[in-house]
Amino acid sequence: AQSVSQHNHHVILSEAASLELGCNYSYGGTVNLFWYVQYPGQHLQLLLKYFSGDPLVKGIKGFEAEFIKSKFSFNLRKPSVQWSDTAEYFCAVISGSGNTGKLIFGQGTTLQVKP
Amino acid sequence: KAGVTQTPRYLIKTRGQQVTLSCSPISGHRSVSWYQQTPGQGLQFLFEYFSETQRNKGNFPGRFSGRQFSNSRSEMNVSTLELGDSALYLCASAPRGTGAYGELFFGEGSRLTVL
Repeated sequence: AQSVSQHNHHVILSEAASLELGCNYSYGGTVNLFWYVQYPGQHLQLLLKYFSGDPLVKGIKGFEAEFIKSKFSFNLRKPSVQWSDTAEYFCAVISGSGNTGKLIFGQGTTLQVKP
Repeated sequence: KAGVTQTPRYLIKTRGQQVTLSCSPISGHRSVSWYQQTPGQGLQFLFEYFSETQRNKGNFPGRFSGRQFSNSRSEMNVSTLELGDSALYLCASAPRGTGAYGELFFGEGSRLTVL
């Protein structure tokens, strides 16, 4: 069965520090990968996605992620975090195709940025 | 364009009761998925509906059910509530099925507390 593993459950950083959140997935076929973010009191929203092509994908708010097929990883990065990046971050992979499918989420990483 | 709307936002029930949650997808979206979010289990897939048909179902007991109407609005029902059903229930919509499109647009959720 497919699964997604996020290594860090709770990360605390100071503003301007660099961020890297780990994500590994288990799936042998073609993968579509996502990072979603949930700001306090808000709905889940898409940060970035990888379907194919350039393994380095850029998302909103300066975030980027690199798909490394050989490592089954899709780590999220940001060179310099801001207090407003405080949120919970979820890595996800699609299971299924066509008009049926589901997102399999990792357990999430809570990021706290100190001003 | 209005986002995904879920009602009610908060509700409190007692064990043994049943509950119905409602979701209005983004206009034009034909797929509606439901996810359960808890601190212990994270985000777990419940089911997906596309064109009024359940296309995929997660690993939840039969007490959890849903349906989709011709206007794409969806409801989910939980019968014989248990304490462990306390969670944030998230609805997500997409123009096509999750497997075909991938990106989901989430509502703010319905927070259910079972006493």
